[in-house]
Amino acid sequence: EPEVTQTPSHQVTQMGQEVILRCVPISNHLYFYWYRQILGQKVEFLVSFYNNEISEKSEIFDDQFSVERPDGSNFTLKIRSTKLEDSAMYFCASSEFGLAGVGYEQYFGPGTRLTVT
Amino acid sequence: GESVGLHLPTLSVQEGDNSIINCAYSNSASDYFIWYKQESGKGPQFIIDIRSNMDKRQGQRVTVLLNKTVKHLSLQIAATQPGDSAVYFCAENTRQGGSEKLVFGKGTKLTVNP
Repeated sequence: EPEVTQTPSHQVTQMGQEVILRCVPISNHLYFYWYRQILGQKVEFLVSFYNNEISEKSEIFDDQFSVERPDGSNFTLKIRSTKLEDSAMYFCASSEFGLAGVGYEQYFGPGTRLTVT
Repeated sequence: GESVGLHLPTLSVQEGDNSIINCAYSNSASDYFIWYKQESGKGPQFIIDIRSNMDKRQGQRVTVLLNKTVKHLSLQIAATQPGDSAVYFCAENTRQGGSEKLVFGKGTKLTVNP
């Protein structure tokens, strides 16, 4: 069964450093998403991406964050200057269609645990 | 403002019993709802969804009920098994100004006792 993959599984970085979290969505999917989950809390939407542009972003997704689909398979989340409060699990997800369509179901990757020290 | 929450943070049941996990949502304009299961150390896994034009939808051992009058969503798991132990999240699709996003609730931790 196809699945979303994410690398690395755990990333430790120092405050102020840049990090890039990588995701490989399911190959025939067109919509891509990033979410984060602070330990013990709910999953929070960060950004959705379609047709090589951001379609929706949350208030969490400020100028320190950016997303990119550099090639036909990868989808990345970059945090330019990490803060302690960026420590969380970051989940990538993909779906074949957008929310309004059949086949909307979002498939989540296993997550990257980001620890900012 | 929009929010999706859960009535109980934890639920403990005996193996074989039926489980009911509840969720309340506040955005009456939400038209699509999903239940996710999250096992320890893993990403959310889709269980079942329901659109607002339906009251009930059944899957394998799971049923989702939607009560739009009181903005309440529930997940029923029949014959709960130890493998069902996980955190369960409801999520709603909010549409504002042409954009869409999923809003997750806080989660209910289900523990199935053998």
